Amino acid sequence: DAGITQSPRYKITETGRQVTLMCHQTWSHSYMFWYRQDLGHGLRLIYYSAAADITDKGEVPDGYVVSRSKTENFPLTLESATRSQTSVYFCASSESGVSTDTQYFGPGTRLTVL
Amino acid sequence: AQSVTQLDSQVPVFEEAPVELRCNYSSSVSVYLFWYVQYPNQGLQLLLKYLSGSTLVKGINGFEAEFNKSQTSFHLRKPSVHISDTAEYFCAVSVGGWMNSGGSNYKLTFGKGTLLTVNP
Repeated sequence: DAGITQSPRYKITETGRQVTLMCHQTWSHSYMFWYRQDLGHGLRLIYYSAAADITDKGEVPDGYVVSRSKTENFPLTLESATRSQTSVYFCASSESGVSTDTQYFGPGTRLTVL
Repeated sequence: AQSVTQLDSQVPVFEEAPVELRCNYSSSVSVYLFWYVQYPNQGLQLLLKYLSGSTLVKGINGFEAEFNKSQTSFHLRKPSVHISDTAEYFCAVSVGGWMNSGGSNYKLTFGKGTLLTVNP
């Protein structure tokens, strides 16, 4: 089906472990984004990507790594997970990077770091 | 820098009642305004957006919002809500032009959300 998917939907890990969250979109959108959603904070941008092999930091990038070797995939890696990274993570995409563009969101990954 | 304030964190209403979810923003430049909705255990989806032109914007599911530049507000309204409207609603503002790697002047800022609960 067309759209934007995330996997896994739920993940429990331990402090210090590496975790990779996957994001895949079928629209061939140029731009992709990673947000985290925390109670009382709304959504905060972690990283974004303008195209394959082009990524840049958002508001809260520390502790995260991204890559984008293919247009349709944008994985987010927590190299050494910490409890403060317990959150719901959303991937989004948009056709362009123009500020009038709509962003389309995936269903989210709920990550718990013990 | 821009900011978004959603004045109510929770709004409980009865079915078929009208509802208004309030959003105020702060920005030193012109903005574009969005309302997104998040149903339980789902991602966000666009309800409506204001880019320019008429200040009254109609969206999906019978929602509408009015842009008020003098009051820097973008309140969301629905004249009669349904149980299925129970969700979290996010106001967002974007400024700038293009999002470019290595020096973006574009940013989409979200409010903290308003949980709308529609009771029978």
